[in-house]
Amino acid sequence: AQSVTQPDIHITVSEGASLELRCNYSYGATPYLFWYVQSPGQGLQLLLKYFSGDTLVQGIKGFEAEFKRSQSSFNLRKPSVHWSDAAEYFCAVGLDDKIIFGKGTRLHILP
Amino acid sequence: DTGVSQNPRHKITKRGQNVTFRCDPISEHNRLYWYRQTLGQGPEFLTYFQNEAQLEKSRLLSDRFSAERPKGSFSTLEIQRTEQGDSAMYLCASSLMDGPQETQYFGPGTRLLVL
Repeated sequence: AQSVTQPDIHITVSEGASLELRCNYSYGATPYLFWYVQSPGQGLQLLLKYFSGDTLVQGIKGFEAEFKRSQSSFNLRKPSVHWSDAAEYFCAVGLDDKIIFGKGTRLHILP
Repeated sequence: DTGVSQNPRHKITKRGQNVTFRCDPISEHNRLYWYRQTLGQGPEFLTYFQNEAQLEKSRLLSDRFSAERPKGSFSTLEIQRTEQGDSAMYLCASSLMDGPQETQYFGPGTRLLVL
């Protein structure tokens, strides 16, 4: 069955440090891939998406993600995190007109 | 455009009562989705509409759940005879289907607590 795995439930980084959130998917064809962010009391905001083409995708708020077909991965990166990046991050796959989400990674920022 | 809106934002009810949630999508978006999110989990698909037609329902959507989008604009999700297991965040999303894969935009959600 198609699935999305985010192996890290929580990640803590210091403000100004680099960030990488991991995401692996299980899907037969070339997937449509997304990263969403959810802040407390807020809805899901789309950070970036990959449909086709360049495997390095730029998003909002300084985030980027790289699609690696050989590793079935779509990891999210940011070179320098800000305290306002503390939130929950969801990787997702588009399948048959709906989105399948991972369980999320909660990002904590140390001052 | 103000984005997807949902009302109410919070709802507390007693077990056995009926509740109804409303979602107003981004104007001119032809697709509308409902998802449910429980603590520690990602959102799970419940159902979706293209215009006023309900095209798919998840097995998560028991007979106590019903969704409508009568005029192809706003949508309502009703839960009858609520159970404590229905406590969750209910998210609505909308999209404009004009290609092989659209982008879904989410509302802030309605948080339901069943006592």
